[in-house]
Amino acid sequence: DAGVIQSPRHEVTEMGQEVTLRCKPISGHDYLFWYRQTMMRGLELLIYFNNNVPIDDSGMPEDRFSAKMPNASFSTLKIQPSEPRDSAVYFCASRPPGGAGTFGSGTRLTVV
Amino acid sequence: LAKTTQPISMDSYEGQEVNITCSHNNIATNDYITWYQQFPSQGPRFIIQGYKTKVTNEVASLFIPADRKSSTLSLPRVSLSDTAVYYCLVHGDNAGNMLTFGGGTRLMVKP
Repeated sequence: DAGVIQSPRHEVTEMGQEVTLRCKPISGHDYLFWYRQTMMRGLELLIYFNNNVPIDDSGMPEDRFSAKMPNASFSTLKIQPSEPRDSAVYFCASRPPGGAGTFGSGTRLTVV
Repeated sequence: LAKTTQPISMDSYEGQEVNITCSHNNIATNDYITWYQQFPSQGPRFIIQGYKTKVTNEVASLFIPADRKSSTLSLPRVSLSDTAVYYCLVHGDNAGNMLTFGGGTRLMVKP
């Protein structure tokens, strides 16, 4: 298995632009998580899905952030408009029922 | 949601055994204990999971006392490549509790 695949690995964008991060979970994993990691705040859970349905988005910082999971093999995290304080590493993780989570390699976002 | 407390950092030398203890005083009956490892520029990686007593795999051992209010991750004979941040998580069998990370323990292995 190729593991959890995230794209792009790096993204540099200007303030105000829309940013879309992508994730392909491991086949058969019915939970998908989006995290953000910064030095100041550590690893923060933003949102998670179960069987493509958003279950808890209380970690999403504000309305500029949105996440979708149109099918079992794909999810997106969108930031519109982006701001410099959104600069962070964004991780996607998936998990099978009763199993441990597997993380992707992350997307390093820099908003200038 | 069970809160975890672990040391911010630890130093060790190559070849030594390292024990990292995590406190989780309000662990619930159905909660499991899971440890993750994170290297710089990578996502966290699952190391080991347990419910009670002792669990051992090819990477580490996990010791959990009878009251389950703490757990100890044991890394035998560490090498420089074990330098990483180690996270202790306590979670139920549903996804929402499972992956809430604390600050972790930054382990530095020296030559």
